[in-house]
Amino acid sequence: DIQMTQSPSTLSASVGDRVTITCRASQSISSWLAWYQQKPGKAPNLLIYKASTLQSGVPSRFSGSGSGTEFTLTISSLQPDDFATYYCQHYNSYPYTFGQGTKLE
Amino acid sequence: QVLLVESGGGVVQPGRSLGLSCAASGFTLSTYAMHWVRQAPGKGLEWVAVISYDGSNKYYADSVKGRFTISRDNFKNTVYLQLDSLRDDDTAVYYCARGWGSNSLYYFDLWGQGILVTVSS
Repeated sequence: DIQMTQSPSTLSASVGDRVTITCRASQSISSWLAWYQQKPGKAPNLLIYKASTLQSGVPSRFSGSGSGTEFTLTISSLQPDDFATYYCQHYNSYPYTFGQGTKLE
Repeated sequence: QVLLVESGGGVVQPGRSLGLSCAASGFTLSTYAMHWVRQAPGKGLEWVAVISYDGSNKYYADSVKGRFTISRDNFKNTVYLQLDSLRDDDTAVYYCARGWGSNSLYYFDLWGQGILVTVSS
């Protein structure tokens, strides 16, 4: 199985900051990577797919990059609504796996 | 309105069974692969199972293989997850999710609100 490792596990930041979350795959997954945002008590929400494609309706301050085994999610200027937990997920092959999550506080 | 709504959760004893349903509305379920993803209390997300748009292909996480069964009824716009031989570590919120993509390369563009399954004696 492909393992996904996110870092950091927790990220402390302030409104207006630029933040970056990293996700590493244990083997190449090409660009088959998605990023989700989850708020407490809610379902995850898709932000980015195919490593760098912004889902419709997602603010442009979110961006993704990478391919192969190294990926990043960047929020260019943090807004109050962005404080949440973020997960990467590969969909290269079954079983799909998620990173352990990054809590942005 | 495009929606997925899960039902059927609750408290069940270890070793017993439970059936979950996921009703789709606002879109044609029969054109999408559908997945179940779970989240144990305070933990991360775990992919559980997928069923192809026509039900012909199914895949499971190793942790549930042989105990859980995914199925669908496209005429009823509903996807199911049968949970058998439940264990304490199956306690989680279970989400159904729509797979967008093709050729087993799906990301989840629509999620249900989740349903809690608690396995406890």
